[in-house]
Amino acid sequence: GAGVSQSPSNKVTEKGKDVELRCDPISGHTALYWYRQSLGQGLEFLIYFQGNSAPDKSGLPSDRFSAERTGGSVSTLTIQRTQQEDSAVYLCASSSPATPSTDTQYFGPGTRLTVL
Amino acid sequence: GIQVEQSPPDLILQEGANSTLRCNFSDSVNNLQWFHQNPWGQLINLFYIPSGTKQNGRLSATTVATERYSLLYISSSQTTDSGVYFCAVAGGYQKVTFGIGTKLQVIP
Repeated sequence: GAGVSQSPSNKVTEKGKDVELRCDPISGHTALYWYRQSLGQGLEFLIYFQGNSAPDKSGLPSDRFSAERTGGSVSTLTIQRTQQEDSAVYLCASSSPATPSTDTQYFGPGTRLTVL
Repeated sequence: GIQVEQSPPDLILQEGANSTLRCNFSDSVNNLQWFHQNPWGQLINLFYIPSGTKQNGRLSATTVATERYSLLYISSSQTTDSGVYFCAVAGGYQKVTFGIGTKLQVIP
């Protein structure tokens, strides 16, 4: 079956603009994760969804970041008033866990965001 | 939260050589995964291994949960093994935490 897909694959925006990043998880996967990876760095957890609810938003770096998930499927990550330090690859993963932390995560290809 | 340390941070191997990558974690976990990030950025799950030993071809992994470490073995390395290897852990209902990775370069 299809894997996790993300769009756009690349996004270049000007400082101060808002951006929306989209993630389509694997069909039937109830858990969805957003991560950020800056150049040459590891993965930074942003937010996790179980169904449509987000029990853990602890990783969102500021109130400019928000995310939602509808219908237990597609998720969008919104960054308002983008700053240059927001430039990174944003990765989405999904899994089908019995509990949120007990299953394999499958990653999408990422969205490379560049803020000029 | 759980702390994850990976070693070595960088590794250069001659093609055909074997290697061991290590992941130490600071607390009990019920989820441990090894990932390979290829030079194009795609993350591929290698093992889901909160405990025990698994093997998949030239790769194998062992997690000793009571001693809070996991090892990833790569045998007869190939240039296609190059990339970054991440260990990721979680305990209970906590978020998954990634280590900073081991960057592997296999040279012909």
